[in-house]
Amino acid sequence: DIVMTQSPDSLAVSLGERATINCKASQSVLYGSSNRFYLDWYQQKPGQAPRLLIYWASNRESGVPDRFSGSGSGTEFTLTISSLQAEDVAIYYCQQYSTFPPTFGQGTKVEIK
Amino acid sequence: EVQLLESGGGLVQPGGSQRLSCGASGFSFSSNAMSWVRQAPGKGLEWVATVSGTGANTYYADAVKGRFTSSRDNSKNTLFLQMNSLRAEDSAVYYCAKAGYCSGGGGSCSFENWGQGTRVTVSS
Repeated sequence: DIVMTQSPDSLAVSLGERATINCKASQSVLYGSSNRFYLDWYQQKPGQAPRLLIYWASNRESGVPDRFSGSGSGTEFTLTISSLQAEDVAIYYCQQYSTFPPTFGQGTKVEIK
Repeated sequence: EVQLLESGGGLVQPGGSQRLSCGASGFSFSSNAMSWVRQAPGKGLEWVATVSGTGANTYYADAVKGRFTSSRDNSKNTLFLQMNSLRAEDSAVYYCAKAGYCSGGGGSCSFENWGQGTRVTVSS
């Protein structure tokens, strides 16, 4: 199985400041036949179900604010919140689906400093 | 608007069985693979199972293989998860999810939309 490791486990950021979350895969998540990275990011607010934010490593899902962006390639990926808002307090997960079985990172908790 | 509504959770004894359901609306149900993802209390997300759009193909995590069976009734836009031989470590909120992009044979997918979840507690 591909192991997804996120860092840090938690971070506290001031309102309006940048938050950066890293995700490292134990092997490449490039899906050959599509030439895309099958790596998504999800947001889970307290008491709520997860929500898809970013697909294919860098594509924002419809309705997701543009302060959220994804980048990376191969085995290393980043989710950036350019200007943290109060409503962004949540746990963020990366997930790969390039190889069976699909696997998630352990999650990164984002709080307000 | 995609809507997914899980039901069937509750308290069950170790070794017992439980059947979860997920009613879907707002999209072409039979055209989409559907998945179950669970979250143990205070823990992260764990994929459990995926069913192809026709129901002909099913995929399971090793942790539940041989104990859980997922199926669907496309005439009723409903997804099911039959859970047998339940263990304490199966205690979790179980989410139903509409699969997005999938790789390979279709067993490894992203999760485009999620229900609110149903809690299963396995305890004596």
